[in-house]
Parts: sequence; structure tokens; C-alpha cells
Amino acid sequence: AQTVTQSQPEMSVQEAETVTLSCTYDTSESNYYLFWYKQPPSRQMILVIRQEAYKQQNATENRFSVNFQKAAKSFSLKISDSQLGDTAMYFCAFMTLSGNTPLVFGKGTRLSVIA
Amino acid sequence: ETGVTQTPRHLVMGMTNKKSLKCEQHLGHNAMYWYKQSAKKPLELMFVYNFKEQTENNSVPSRFSPECPNSSHLFLHLHTLQPEDSALYLCASSQELVGNGYTFGSGTRLTVV
Repeated sequence: AQTVTQSQPEMSVQEAETVTLSCTYDTSESNYYLFWYKQPPSRQMILVIRQEAYKQQNATENRFSVNFQKAAKSFSLKISDSQLGDTAMYFCAFMTLSGNTPLVFGKGTRLSVIA
Repeated sequence: ETGVTQTPRHLVMGMTNKKSLKCEQHLGHNAMYWYKQSAKKPLELMFVYNFKEQTENNSVPSRFSPECPNSSHLFLHLHTLQPEDSALYLCASSQELVGNGYTFGSGTRLTVV
């Protein structure tokens, strides 16, 4: 079974600074997807960024980028130039490409951006 | 309206009540999901529907009964719930069962008293 671990329950960062959220996962699969979702107080889970395991290049979406280390099974999220609107819960998630396995989530990291 | 819509937004029910949660998506997706989100726990997958057929039931108690009449609508029927069932129930949809991420609704906050 696949598992996703987020070891930082809470983090804070000053506005305009950079913060990195950690995520590790465990799988025996070689092909899979990894995701970071954001859940603001409005409760809706919003897809932030997505990475295919077969791609060596790290995904980037504006101020959000990942550091994907396949051998280490690590998938961290870097938020640059943090903004107050980035305050939210952030969830790391995993999906295999075989067996139609649905998304598996970590417990989440609560990020607070401080003015 | 676009995206995934869940109603009601909040629900308080007694343990002997029967209620239903509704989820609707206007994205043309063919897979829909129910997740349970409790405090300090990972999101728990409850049910998966693909083209209206249930493809996964993650050992969910029978007091939760899903229904998927078509690819756009998903219901979760609730009866004789327990206080530990209080949680945020999230609905999601995707284009394929193995998709490019899911689109989520804003959830129903359920409190069982």
C-alpha cells in the first residue's frame, strides 16, 4: 500500500520570504503522479502543482516549485515570495498509474504567512 | 455554475436522523469520489464511482450509502450515524479514474449530535 508522510504539522513564514514544505512517500511502483493541494479556509481543495514520476525535470507553477527526488521518494514544495493568500493547509498526494488507485493524501501542513 | 458543487454546506443531525449529501459536477468528468476529512487525519477515501459504477468501497460502514444516478451527480445517504462520523465530507471528480488530479467541492461540514 502507498503511504504519504508530511512531517511538518505547522509552519509559518514571513510575507515575501520563501518556505519549503516536506513530503515523503512509500511505493513499490515506478510510474506515478505526485500532487500538492492547497486547502484555504474556504475548504475547497485546490490543485497547486503536479509532477509525473517519469519526468526528471521539477515542475514549476509561477511562485510554486517542487524538488522531486525519486530515489529518496521525496517531493517537497517551495513557495517563493510568500503572500498572505498562501495561508492554508497544504496536502501532498500520490496516485499510481497502475491498478486505478485513487489519490492517497498525507496529513497536511498548516502554513501561516505572517505580515 | 462550473466546478464541483456540494450541498448543504453545513449539516447538523441527530443519531436517528436520515439525511443526504449532494454533489454535482459540470466538468464532464466521468469519475466521482467521496472523501472524509477528520481533524489530524489524512483524507480517507470512502467511495469511487466510474461511469456511474461503484469501483471502490473502502470498508465504509453501511450507515453510509452512496448513490450515483449519472456521471454528474453523486449522493451520500446517511442514517443512524455516530458522533465520530462528524467530519468534513469532500466530493471530487476527475476525467479518468487515473486522472490528472481531482477537482474538489467545498465540502459538507457534518456534525452528529
